[in-house]
Amino acid sequence: QVQLVESGGGVVQPGKSLRLSCIVSGFTFSNFGMHWVRQSPGKGLEWAAYVSPDGTSKHYADSVKGRFIISRDNAMNTLYLQVSGLRVDDTALYYCTREIAIGGFDYWGQGTLVAVSS
Amino acid sequence: QSALTQPPSVSGSPGQSVTISCTGTSSDVGSNDRVSWFQQPPGTAPKLLLYEVNNRPSGVPDRFSGSKSGNTASLTISGLKAEDEADYYCTSHTTSVTWVFGGGTKLTVL
Repeated sequence: QVQLVESGGGVVQPGKSLRLSCIVSGFTFSNFGMHWVRQSPGKGLEWAAYVSPDGTSKHYADSVKGRFIISRDNAMNTLYLQVSGLRVDDTALYYCTREIAIGGFDYWGQGTLVAVSS
Repeated sequence: QSALTQPPSVSGSPGQSVTISCTGTSSDVGSNDRVSWFQQPPGTAPKLLLYEVNNRPSGVPDRFSGSKSGNTASLTISGLKAEDEADYYCTSHTTSVTWVFGGGTKLTVL
């Protein structure tokens, strides 16, 4: 069955960096666009970044542009999010999600928590 | 990239129908049919209910339906059940090749 498993979150100080990973299984990873969506504690969902199936096209929310980098390794069935210049308001549960149609995020991981605090 | 506008809360009794609106602009909801809806019970990951306005993934009951007019999309849940109590989010693709979510709506089944 389809599985997405995120990892790499943690507690970090403002300005620091982390690399989030999402290992997928149960489907042909290279056929699907992938996204990172985040959710601050008690708040709503916020789209963060997208990468095309072959990794050549990437798009970012204004709130993370220039600080976050999305990438993928299709041979390793893994999606990444390099998060840098972290701010307190980046504190959130970060989900990876698969796209079956534009905006149709059909499978989600359980999320990895990034907490930014001094 | 302002969030789409959803009512903070809606409620209904079992068996009734409720509709949740999602209002954007001509740069997002009004520009295409790439509107999706998600259900998120507390403490769980979101679940896709509808994509491309009114397409249901396999396993989603036909009690869930969607529509769109102009800059506003809507999710209608008919035959409300206690298990429908959750947060609901819309999302839309935008002309800037980004995606934007609504602020979320808490559905209470009375």
